[in-house]
Amino acid sequence: DIQMTQSPSSLSASVGDRVTFTCRATQTISNYLNWYQHKPGKAPKLLIYAASTLQSGVPSRFSGSGSGTDFTLTISSLEPEDFATYYCQQTYSALEYTFGQGTKLEIK
Amino acid sequence: QLQLQESGPGLVKPSETLSLTCTVSGGSVTSSTNYWGWVRQPPGKGLEWIGSISNSGSPYYSPSLKSRVTISIDTSKNQFSLNVTSVTAADTALYYCARLGAGGFVMMFDYWGQGMLVIVSS
Repeated sequence: DIQMTQSPSSLSASVGDRVTFTCRATQTISNYLNWYQHKPGKAPKLLIYAASTLQSGVPSRFSGSGSGTDFTLTISSLEPEDFATYYCQQTYSALEYTFGQGTKLEIK
Repeated sequence: QLQLQESGPGLVKPSETLSLTCTVSGGSVTSSTNYWGWVRQPPGKGLEWIGSISNSGSPYYSPSLKSRVTISIDTSKNQFSLNVTSVTAADTALYYCARLGAGGFVMMFDYWGQGMLVIVSS
């Protein structure tokens, strides 16, 4: 089975900062990698799919890159509403659509 | 605009069966572009994929839950459902239903329900 590991597990940053999250798969998953934002009490929100494609309606300060086993999500300039937990998910293996354990982005 | 809404009991006794339904509006569960799935989040933990089902009703489940989980589609009600048997406290979680859309060959959960808290307790 494919395991997804996110780093760091938590991150403190300030409004206006540039932040990068990483996600690593235990085997190659091509570009079958999605990123979600999750806030308490709300449904997860799809940000990026296929590693680098911005979901409709998502601000352009979010970007994704990577292929194979290593992926990144970057927020170019943090806004107050960006503080949340971010998850990666692989959909390469139809037998198990694994999520990473999440990275919690907190206000410094 | 596609909308999904979970429903079902919020409290289930240990060893019993957890049953949730997801009602879809603004689209058809049998549409060729729609697959569906369930995701849960135990308290204080991350997201866990439970399983998914195709528009034709073919399911696939997380290996860790496969022996206890059933996902099915009810075309007459435009719903899909989740059953988890022999529940324990470890099944206490916020349960989400979601649509699996496709971006080229890549599948992703692009529409979500608001989530339903299910507590397993006697």
